[in-house]
Amino acid sequence: AQSVAQPEDQVNVAEGNPLTVKCTYSVSGNPYLFWYVQYPNRGLQFLLKYITGDNLVKGSYGFEAEFNKSQTSFHLKKPSALVSDSALYFCAVSPLNSGGYQKVTFGTGTKLQVIP
Amino acid sequence: NAGVTQTPKFQVLKTGQSMTLQCAQDMNHNSMYWYRQDPGMGLRLIYYSASEGTTDKGEVPNGYNVSRLNKREFSLRLESAAPSQTSVYFCASRRETADEQYFGPGTRLTVT
Repeated sequence: AQSVAQPEDQVNVAEGNPLTVKCTYSVSGNPYLFWYVQYPNRGLQFLLKYITGDNLVKGSYGFEAEFNKSQTSFHLKKPSALVSDSALYFCAVSPLNSGGYQKVTFGTGTKLQVIP
Repeated sequence: NAGVTQTPKFQVLKTGQSMTLQCAQDMNHNSMYWYRQDPGMGLRLIYYSASEGTTDKGEVPNGYNVSRLNKREFSLRLESAAPSQTSVYFCASRRETADEQYFGPGTRLTVT
């Protein structure tokens, strides 16, 4: 069965410092990997995805993520955190198989708090 | 483009009452999904529709039914609401398997 682990319920970082939100996954075969952000009382918004190719993926709002196949990880990073980055972040995985419905599994979310 | 829209935004039901949550997307996406979000549990898939005319159960389908009315609309029905169904419900859609999902703003449901 596929799964996503976000080991930290909350990450606190000072404004201007680099941030990392961790994600590890388990899936049969190669993965599609996604990061989403959720602001209070809003739906999830897509940040970035890894399908194939370069292991470093760049996305919206200056975020990037690094795919590491050997460690089955897809950590979200940003070089300099903003207070406006404070939100709930979800990692998601789907198997890279052709045809049919491919189930998407979400992690439990990590709350990012950027401290002014 | 409105994207994915959901109605209502908020609802309070008494145990045993029924209601339908509406979802529509204007992006011509093939797949549509219903999730529920509960604290500490992430998003759990209730039902999905891979294409118009098809629906399938997700992880937590008990107590729910769905209808894919056409390519745009996918509704979720609670026939007899229970307090355990108190949650925030999100509808989502996507074009293809490799694509990201687009989410609606959510419906906050309380069952007393």
